[in-house]
Order: sequence, then structure tokens, then C-alpha cells
Amino acid sequence: NAGVTQTPKFQVLKTGQSMTLQCAQDMNHNSMYWYRQDPGMGLRLIYYSASEGTTDKGEVPNGYNVSRLNKREFSLRLESAAPSQTSVYFCASRQGQSLSYEQYFGPGTRLTVT
Amino acid sequence: SQQGEEDPQALSIQEGENATMNCSYKTSINNLQWYRQNSGRGLVHLILIRSNEREKHSGRLRVTLDTSKKSSSLLITASRAADTASYFCATVHNAGGTSYGKLTFGQGTILTVHP
Repeated sequence: NAGVTQTPKFQVLKTGQSMTLQCAQDMNHNSMYWYRQDPGMGLRLIYYSASEGTTDKGEVPNGYNVSRLNKREFSLRLESAAPSQTSVYFCASRQGQSLSYEQYFGPGTRLTVT
Repeated sequence: SQQGEEDPQALSIQEGENATMNCSYKTSINNLQWYRQNSGRGLVHLILIRSNEREKHSGRLRVTLDTSKKSSSLLITASRAADTASYFCATVHNAGGTSYGKLTFGQGTILTVHP
């Protein structure tokens, strides 16, 4: 049982390049989330998927797109990377519809845009 | 914008001492959760307290919630060097529809426990 996995662990992009961050969970969770964490700050929500087939914007969605490929996988795409997107990206999942479930986090992807 | 504010921003103590971190939030919540993050790692859930609860314990952790003051505190008793990490509070609100379950994080408290 690997929990939440993310690939890649590290990535360096040039401004304007595109890439997709992959996330998968093996806990049969319904909801999945993408966050970014900037130095000295808490996590900010980019996009989330409450259930398979649905996605919604979070607090900072500009410059990103997501795909909930199936129940296990939720990917985050940067179409044209900008230096402001340099950050650590975390994927998380949550079991069900109740508000009282905790989230399980992946190890993160450290992205640098030059 | 960040929902929660935490203080202190950094806390340095000796092993064996207690560590107290505080979190304040702005709008009504369904529950409040505390997470821990070791350097360079993902977040790990520590404890969840619902809005109708006032205190909760888990091992050496004690969390209190005061909804009238919109604040929570996390107490780690008899701290160990291995408790060195960043600690975040996160709130879940009562919004319905597809927005539920979202966590809104505070900026975190960096705890250093010296052996």
C-alpha cells in the first residue's frame, strides 16, 4: 500500500515549457487535491476533484489545468510555465463525502522554472 | 487568502519541555485539523477536532478549540528531538456542494526541539 505517489520528485523547466505532474493513490479515495507550497507559507489549493469525473478550481488555479483520469489518478498540467510557478507541489486524497476525513499527502514535486 | 494565522512562527525548546502552538481563523468551520511536515517531506495528519468538540487528545498531543474566539491550540507534551518539524493548522468549512472537504491552511509554526 503506497498511499499517495507523485512523479517526478524534481523538475527544472524553462519559461514557456509545459509539463504534467502525475499523482496516484491506491486507497480507493474519492476526493483528490493539488496544492502548492511557497517558502515560509502554508499550502494553497490549486484544483480539486471531489469525485471521479468532477474538477473544481481552488484558491490559485490560474496557469494550471487538471485531469481526473480515473478514480486513482489526478494530474496537474502547466501549459506555459512561468517563474512564479516555482514551488513545491503536493497532491492529496481524502476518503469520502464526510467533512471529517483527513487528507493524505504525497511526498511532493519540487519545481523550478528559470 | 490564508484562513488561519499561527503563532508563534518559530518555536525553539529543549527536549522534555512542552510546546504550544496557536491557530486563529476567520470564518465558521466544520472541523480543524493539525498536520506535521518534516523538512522536505509531505504533510502528515495528526489530529482532527470537530466544531462541537472543545478538547481532544492523541498520545502526547492535546488540541483545544474555542469557536467563540475562532482559535485552536496544539500542545505537544514532553517533546523529543524527533518532534522537530513544521506544524500547520487547517480548517474545513461548512460550504456545501462540491466545495466541501477543502482544507485552508495557516502559515505554520516551525518547531525545533534541541536534544
